[in-house]
Amino acid sequence: DAGVIQSPRHEVTEMGQEVTLRCKPISGHNSLFWYRQTMMRGLELLIYFNNNVPIDDSGMPEDRFSAKMPNASFSTLKIQPSEPRDSAVYFCASSSVPGQVGGQETQYFGPGTRLLVL
Amino acid sequence: RKEVEQDPGPFNVPEGATVAFNCTYSNSASQSFFWYRQDCRKEPKLLMSVYSSGNEDGRFTAQLNRASQYISLLIRDSKLSDSATYLCVVRVTGYSTLTFGKGTMLLVSP
Repeated sequence: DAGVIQSPRHEVTEMGQEVTLRCKPISGHNSLFWYRQTMMRGLELLIYFNNNVPIDDSGMPEDRFSAKMPNASFSTLKIQPSEPRDSAVYFCASSSVPGQVGGQETQYFGPGTRLLVL
Repeated sequence: RKEVEQDPGPFNVPEGATVAFNCTYSNSASQSFFWYRQDCRKEPKLLMSVYSSGNEDGRFTAQLNRASQYISLLIRDSKLSDSATYLCVVRVTGYSTLTFGKGTMLLVSP
């Protein structure tokens, strides 16, 4: 079975450019999460969707970041304009059980997109 | 205070050694606990959930101490393939989201 698919795997861009990261969750999963990982801050949740609806975007750094999930099989994270401090690995993850209190559902991560903003 | 704290390591151990990692969490409302493993330049993957009574999966044993708000992971008979970063993860009651520690790096040498 295909896992979470992310594209591109690597992105190098210049400051000020728009960056769009893409994610296809595991079929049948109804929760999708975007994370950012850096050495300094570790793995941070940016936003998560449940049944394509954004539930919590409190982790989105600022207005330059936006995320959409137009359907159950696709999500994008956009940075416009990008800045050098956005350089990080961006992971998308999905899970099958939304918001079950005390649940033990697993989040499955995609391979990540390594973003370098020059 | 960070929500989930771990010693970053690295822990350098020889093959066959037993090694233990601890993790502390700040939110007493945390309900679910996990250990994830992340290989170098790869994505995190669930290693095991942590149950109140403690649980074992082969060479791996996880323990939870709610009173002291810490979680432990014990690896027995370390293998070279155990070299990775181990992420402590908690979920607060009523929320879907996970909070990750920064991870503890383990290096197992021949």
